[in-house]
Amino acid sequence: DVKVTQSSRYLVKRTGEKVFLECVQDMDHENMFWYRQDPGLGLRLIYFSYDVKMKEKGDIPEGYSVSREKKERFSLILESASTNQTSMYLCASRSGGGNEQFFGPGTRLTVL
Amino acid sequence: LAKTTQPISMDSYEGQEVNITCSHNNIATNDYITWYQQFPSQGPRFIIQGYKTKVTNEVASLFIPADRKSSTLSLPRVSLSDTAVYYCLVGAENSNSGYALNFGKGTSLLVTP
Repeated sequence: DVKVTQSSRYLVKRTGEKVFLECVQDMDHENMFWYRQDPGLGLRLIYFSYDVKMKEKGDIPEGYSVSREKKERFSLILESASTNQTSMYLCASRSGGGNEQFFGPGTRLTVL
Repeated sequence: LAKTTQPISMDSYEGQEVNITCSHNNIATNDYITWYQQFPSQGPRFIIQGYKTKVTNEVASLFIPADRKSSTLSLPRVSLSDTAVYYCLVGAENSNSGYALNFGKGTSLLVTP
């Protein structure tokens, strides 16, 4: 059974903290994605990676960075968390030759 | 990326057929149409994908006219558990960097008894 896991379901951080959100997939997928979801705005793509050490900016990369040192792991980094980064963060993976994205359960991040 | 437009919300009663239409006027030749379903507090889940004409699986049917500028997701005889947000996406198959999907806001379907 395919699986995408995220390090935390709920996270509370303070403004200015450095925050790491981890995502791991066990399907040997080439592509991995980070989205955030906010009420009324739908899912918005932050960054994606189509291979190890490769990354591309999505629609809203400002304030975020990513790291993909291993194929199975894709990390989202908030260098200095701000209150407007309070959101639900969703990770997904996809086979390089496929179309279906598999999503993790999400991390609800609150920045105080 | 092809932009998609779909209704913000729809209501239905149990047992009815629900059709959600998505417009994608600038769809490219290589683009496929994909629909996802999302329940509260969960990530989206793939439902169905098609390129043209009609595709059917155990969950839904997808109707795509010849000009491919729109598509319709059909859910037969919905139940309360079909209450969810449905996203229409358009993107190219087998394209790594080019398949950065725009989920948009989706259509919030509410099924009531």
